[in-house]
Amino acid sequence: EAGVTQFPSHSVIEKGQTVTLRCDPISGHDNLYWYRRVMGKEIKFLLHFVKESKQDESGMPNNRFLAERTGGTYSTLKVQPAELEDSGVYFCASSQIWKPYEQYFGPGTRLTVT
Amino acid sequence: GQNIDQPTEMTATEGAIVQINCTYQTSGFNGLFWYQQHAGEAPTFLSYNVLDGLEEKGRFSSFLSRSKGYSYLLLKELQMKDSASYLCAVSGTGGSYIPTFGRGTSLIVHP
Repeated sequence: EAGVTQFPSHSVIEKGQTVTLRCDPISGHDNLYWYRRVMGKEIKFLLHFVKESKQDESGMPNNRFLAERTGGTYSTLKVQPAELEDSGVYFCASSQIWKPYEQYFGPGTRLTVT
Repeated sequence: GQNIDQPTEMTATEGAIVQINCTYQTSGFNGLFWYQQHAGEAPTFLSYNVLDGLEEKGRFSSFLSRSKGYSYLLLKELQMKDSASYLCAVSGTGGSYIPTFGRGTSLIVHP
């Protein structure tokens, strides 16, 4: 069974540009989560989808971040316009609806904003 | 808010046993996670403790004391591949199971 995949693995953009990160969860996992790790800090929660609905977006830092999960399968996280402080590793995770605590993480997208 | 504390780094010898401690202070508590993360890779789920006591899973065991706000991860028969960062995380009240992570403990296993 394929794990959680994320694309791209690395992205380097200039301040003010737009970047879209993609996450493909494990097939059949209704729960999908986005997290971010800024260098030197702990992993922090951004938001949680159940199927296509946003269950909890309390961790989204500001309105420059937009997450979607149309159709309840893959998800995208768009940063527009990117700022220097957005640099970090963005992780996606998914879990089954009846075992929400057992989250499977993707390898992450390393975003560098210059 | 939630405050999670774990040692920054630990070293141990191959074949030995190591215990990684985690203390937490939270406004609400649902359960406690342990994750393993090798450098440059995704965090891997190890355990989720809700009740007090020790849960064993192969070479890894996790202990929880809710009254003391304390957990530990016990790794037995250490192997070189166990060198990794071990992340303690807690989830608050409610049914979301969203982990709030600590900064992790970097474990170095040497021959």
